[in-house]
Amino acid sequence: ETGVTQSPTHLIKTRGQQVTLRCSSQSGHNTVSWYQQALGQGPQFIFQYYREEENGRGNFPPRFSGLQFPNYSSELNVNALELDDSALYLCASSSQGKPPYEQYFGPGTRLTVT
Amino acid sequence: AQSVTQLDSQVPVFEEAPVELRCNYSSSVSVYLFWYVQYPNQGLQLLLKYLSGSTLVESINGFEAEFNKSQTSFHLRKPSVHISDTAEYFCAVSDGPGGGADGLTFGKGTHLIIQP
Repeated sequence: ETGVTQSPTHLIKTRGQQVTLRCSSQSGHNTVSWYQQALGQGPQFIFQYYREEENGRGNFPPRFSGLQFPNYSSELNVNALELDDSALYLCASSSQGKPPYEQYFGPGTRLTVT
Repeated sequence: AQSVTQLDSQVPVFEEAPVELRCNYSSSVSVYLFWYVQYPNQGLQLLLKYLSGSTLVESINGFEAEFNKSQTSFHLRKPSVHISDTAEYFCAVSDGPGGGADGLTFGKGTHLIIQP
């Protein structure tokens, strides 16, 4: 069973730039959720994708967008980067509507915005 | 909207001593509760979960948590800690067993520090 993988591991961007983060879900999972974890804080829900559509969204502006592909992998795109976007971005996969219900997290992508 | 409060940002304990990490959540019609552990520079690992049934849930490495609906709590306990338990612990709640469309709502975390 392949676990959740994320790329890249680390990334440094300049304020105003755009970034794309990638996530491969665990085998058999059809749902991907993205979270932002600022330093010293708990993860915050950005959005969730199911069947290639956004299924739910947290309190994040529209410059945070995503995609899910037919193989259930996903991308998180952030436009017009701000310094406060510096964080660990976590991807989690799960099975919508069938057990086991828990979300399995990847190792994360550490984004630094300068 | 759901909310989670972890009352202690840091808990230092001696090795082989018992520990309790506290978690309270906002009330909801249905609630699903989770504890995740995060080791330095790593992602989150599920420690244990409450979805339904018995209010006492256990993990394979000796942790347990009890769902208390009247007190809206889901405290995490271990009778005897080991140095390897040093990590950040997050309590999370959702309105769906798999996170629901609103995802998981996490607390700010409790840093468990084991002293030799």
